Amino acid sequence: NAGVTQTPKFRVLKTGQSMTLLCAQDMNHEYMYWYRQDPGMGLRLIHYSVGEGTTAKGEVPDGYNVSRLKKQNFLLGLESAAPSQTSVYFCASSYSSLAGGYEQYFGPGTRLTVT
Amino acid sequence: GQQVMQIPQYQHVQEGEDFTTYCNSSTTLSNIQWYKQRPGGHPVFLIQLVKSGEVKKQKRLTFQFGEAKKNSSLHITATQTTDVGTYFCAGPMNSGGYQKVTFGIGTKLQVIP
Repeated sequence: NAGVTQTPKFRVLKTGQSMTLLCAQDMNHEYMYWYRQDPGMGLRLIHYSVGEGTTAKGEVPDGYNVSRLKKQNFLLGLESAAPSQTSVYFCASSYSSLAGGYEQYFGPGTRLTVT
Repeated sequence: GQQVMQIPQYQHVQEGEDFTTYCNSSTTLSNIQWYKQRPGGHPVFLIQLVKSGEVKKQKRLTFQFGEAKKNSSLHITATQTTDVGTYFCAGPMNSGGYQKVTFGIGTKLQVIP
């Protein structure tokens, strides 16, 4: 099993450009999450999904959109990138929500720089 | 909204010294999880605590969940260079009918050989 994979690993964008980050998991997990990690800010939840076809906003959703058309994939889109979106993005998945007691499995991360 | 506060943010210790990080919530948590992130890596699940007053050990790591289920701690005995990394606690949060997750800011541990 590959676990959670993320594509791409690195990306440099110019302000105003768009891109999509792809997350895939092969563990048949219901829940999937997108986080961003910035120095001194910890992990902040952007959007999450509790199942195929559903999405919900997290702590910092502005400037991002997501889609979960297939259970194993969770896409994060930036329509018009801004320098404030320079960050490391982590995808994670779990059998259920944290409240249900199942740990999250994280992908390796995508390092995005917006110039 | 609910927050999970974690202290300290940074800690430097000599190899062999002990280390503790603390996590506090403003509300009662149904459970709390701990993760470790090595430099340049991704967070990896360490353990989950569910019961009031629960204590769990993993070799040199001791995890505690407070009696009121509002605080937790991770203690490392006799640190080694392999313990270097950032340790996060994470607690569940209800919002709009869905369950979300709140991570503490993390404690970055540096071990000086």
